[in-house]
Amino acid sequence: LAKTTQPISMDSYEGQEVNITCSHNNIATNDYITWYQQFPSQGPRFIIQGYKTKVTNEVASLFIPADRKSSTLSLPRVSLSDTAVYYCLVGETNTDKLIFGTGTRLQVFP
Amino acid sequence: GAVVSQHPSRVICKSGTSVKIECRSLDFQATTMFWYRQFPKQSLMLMATSNEGSKATYEQGVEKDKFLINHASLTLSTLTVTSAHPEDSSFYICSAHRLAGVGETQYFGPGTRLLVL
Repeated sequence: LAKTTQPISMDSYEGQEVNITCSHNNIATNDYITWYQQFPSQGPRFIIQGYKTKVTNEVASLFIPADRKSSTLSLPRVSLSDTAVYYCLVGETNTDKLIFGTGTRLQVFP
Repeated sequence: GAVVSQHPSRVICKSGTSVKIECRSLDFQATTMFWYRQFPKQSLMLMATSNEGSKATYEQGVEKDKFLINHASLTLSTLTVTSAHPEDSSFYICSAHRLAGVGETQYFGPGTRLLVL
């Protein structure tokens, strides 16, 4: 399973766009990139998944360059409630395991 | 989205006792479920893969006799922490794997907070 590297923490202010980049140099051909959000004392929650180029849903966008060795989660106009830990994972979409890296702790200030 | 529940949400027990945690997929069948453990300010650590109708697969360093896993039906997996000790105090999270093409395929439970006194 490909290893991921993310910044340990990030700070932002309400209303700003936040971009969290994840490195996954050893991503395999069949791997997808998935991002989860976790609030304290809760289970992770799925945010978005992509394979290449750009994916957008109602909460975030995911940008994946052509070489797929990195990806960027973009959160538009964050609010205080977006304060959480964000995890980037890579793996086959129907594979068994999800191995969590360190995640990025995002703190949003008023 | 699909729903996964855990019971209990929190439990306090005395050292030496055993604690059972249930993980249920409420609206889909899951042949595979996973158990994670998370210590404060740390990431989730995969403990084991629970396979319906067969033995669980444990990650390296996880004692299978300490953490008993039973996946007796397609909607229920249980994790039993045997002879619990204070160092077993942690946040235990399960997830259930739902077969799908792409997108969200693994759904997480809300977690169980275990405190061993």
